[in-house]
Amino acid sequence: QQPVQSPQAVILREGEDAVINCSSSKALYSVHWYRQKHGEAPVFLMILLKGGEQKGHDKISASFNEKKQQSSLYLTASQLSYSGTYFCGTVSGSARQLTFGSGTQLTVLP
Amino acid sequence: GAGVSQSPSNKVTEKGKDVELRCDPISGHTALYWYRQSLGQGLEFLIYFQGNSAPDKSGLPSDRFSAERTGGSVSTLTIQRTQQEDSAVYLCASSLGTLTTNEKLFFGSGTQLSVL
Repeated sequence: QQPVQSPQAVILREGEDAVINCSSSKALYSVHWYRQKHGEAPVFLMILLKGGEQKGHDKISASFNEKKQQSSLYLTASQLSYSGTYFCGTVSGSARQLTFGSGTQLTVLP
Repeated sequence: GAGVSQSPSNKVTEKGKDVELRCDPISGHTALYWYRQSLGQGLEFLIYFQGNSAPDKSGLPSDRFSAERTGGSVSTLTIQRTQQEDSAVYLCASSLGTLTTNEKLFFGSGTQLSVL
């Protein structure tokens, strides 16, 4: 079953912060985050493995609440280069597939 | 090659024709995935290969879709008797190990399929 992402779209100014949420109805083994720019392939951002784990990459970080089966991606002091569609992917059960949410379109304006 | 390579990059076909889409994964990557992305939509899982075998074919939308992988490397996704609803970008991804070993996926640039 597909994880649910919110919001579907967000527009912000350069330097502002954003949060993207991902929730699943299934018990999760791990959560992946990818970013896809228009016309390009999705690119890996990070994997979160344990409940409560947080990771960071530059000014992009994420958390994983295993009990709630939720993950959040935090974009701090956003840059123009952050624009794109962000997908969370969840791994559960047999862990044979990465099931992606419908994506969050992020637009950063100057 | 340095990355996942897919061919052709664009394919226009007529309804009812068969098409073959090719994926060359990163050398040494044992896992290979096919996804479909319709315009403005998310990534829909189609099939997963570990080596040459496909333990998970659950995402194939109909029996018109099939895929194979040979030599633990190149994979071909075949769509028979194409329909207009098959129009989408077909993305291939590979990873060094499996999702249970927490490997990240590397995606190709995709094949844009248009069925007229």
